Amino acid sequence: EPEVTQTPSHQVTQMGQEVILRCVPISNHLYFYWYRQILGQKVEFLVSFYNNEISEKSEIFDDQFSVERPDGSNFTLKIRSTKLEDSAMYFCASTRTNTGELFFGEGSRLTVL
Amino acid sequence: QKEVEQNSGPLSVPEGAIASLNCTYSDRGSQSFFWYRQYSGKSPELIMFIYSNGDKEDGRFTAQLNKASQYVSLLIRDSQPSDSATYLCAVNDYKLSFGAGTTVTVRA
Repeated sequence: EPEVTQTPSHQVTQMGQEVILRCVPISNHLYFYWYRQILGQKVEFLVSFYNNEISEKSEIFDDQFSVERPDGSNFTLKIRSTKLEDSAMYFCASTRTNTGELFFGEGSRLTVL
Repeated sequence: QKEVEQNSGPLSVPEGAIASLNCTYSDRGSQSFFWYRQYSGKSPELIMFIYSNGDKEDGRFTAQLNKASQYVSLLIRDSQPSDSATYLCAVNDYKLSFGAGTTVTVRA
């Protein structure tokens, strides 16, 4: 069964460092998302991406964040200068038809020290 | 972002009982509603969705929607220990807005 894959599964970084989280969505999906979940809190929307551009972003997704689809398969989230409060699980998700039936990857846990 | 409210629980039910989960949403214009399950340390996975008022059944799960009351619920019949998880209600507005989730524990 096709699945969304994310790497790395866990990354530890120092405050101020740049981090890139990678995702390979399901191959025939057209809509891509990043969500984050701080430990013990709810799943929060960061950004959606369609047709090679951002379609919507939340207030969390400030200038420190960027997304890119560098080739036909990868979808990346970059955090330019990490802060302690960026520590969270980051989930990539994809869907074919933007109906809310999202397929989530297993997540990348980011720990900022 | 749309507000989605859920009872945080935890909700503890004996094996074989019905677990009832509730969710309210703030935007009267919302049209589609989702229930996701999230096991501890794992990612959310879709259980079911509902678009129309009334009930929708899928196996042991029944979703109920009342748009006039801005209320969505999920019933889990014949609860099993494997149903122990956090259940996330979500509203779709070209992206999903999640509630905080209700943690369910099924006691064997």
